[in-house]
Amino acid sequence: EAQVTQNPRYLITVTGKKLTVTCSQNMNHEYMSWYRQDPGLGLRQIYYSMNVEVTDKGDVPEGYKVSRKEKRNFPLILESPSPNQTSLYFCASSLGGKGIGYTFGSGTRLTVV
Amino acid sequence: AQSVSQHNHHVILSEAASLELGCNYSYGGTVNLFWYVQYPGQHLQLLLKYFSGDPLVKGIKGFEAEFIKSKFSFNLRKPSVQWSDTAEYFCAVIVNAGNMLTFGGGTRLMVKP
Repeated sequence: EAQVTQNPRYLITVTGKKLTVTCSQNMNHEYMSWYRQDPGLGLRQIYYSMNVEVTDKGDVPEGYKVSRKEKRNFPLILESPSPNQTSLYFCASSLGGKGIGYTFGSGTRLTVV
Repeated sequence: AQSVSQHNHHVILSEAASLELGCNYSYGGTVNLFWYVQYPGQHLQLLLKYFSGDPLVKGIKGFEAEFIKSKFSFNLRKPSVQWSDTAEYFCAVIVNAGNMLTFGGGTRLMVKP
């Protein structure tokens, strides 16, 4: 089944403790992206990647890092999480990076205390 | 930078009522437009999209949207809603066939049985 898999689904952590949210897709998509969803703000793009070793900042990249060493994986790294990063995070992938058939993961609900 | 506005944050309807959710974007060039739906506790799913051609776009589950270029709008409609349409709806845009999918703030729809 074609899908985007995120892990974990839920995570509670403490301020400053580094964490990684994994994202993997099995559709051979070139384009992958991370969004955070906050009430009333919709989804805002954090980072995106157009292909292996090609990443760029989205609208709200501060406090986040990404890497794209393999086509299928696009982990989101929070080096020193802060409470304002408490949010619902979605990974998405697309074949062409033009909004064609974006597939979203199931989300990761992160709470930073 | 482009932006998307969804004016109705919360909508409550009775079953069989007609639905229209507003979406306006701010960008004067070429746009690709999308509506996504997020059912409670689930990830985003694509309802419909507009790239070019007929400005009236039909999507899944009886939804349709009309692109009105002169009004910078892409309103979502459904003639008769069902309780199962209770969800949050997001309008989104990509400009100039680029890579960033910009979302509106979302509209929460509640359909009363």
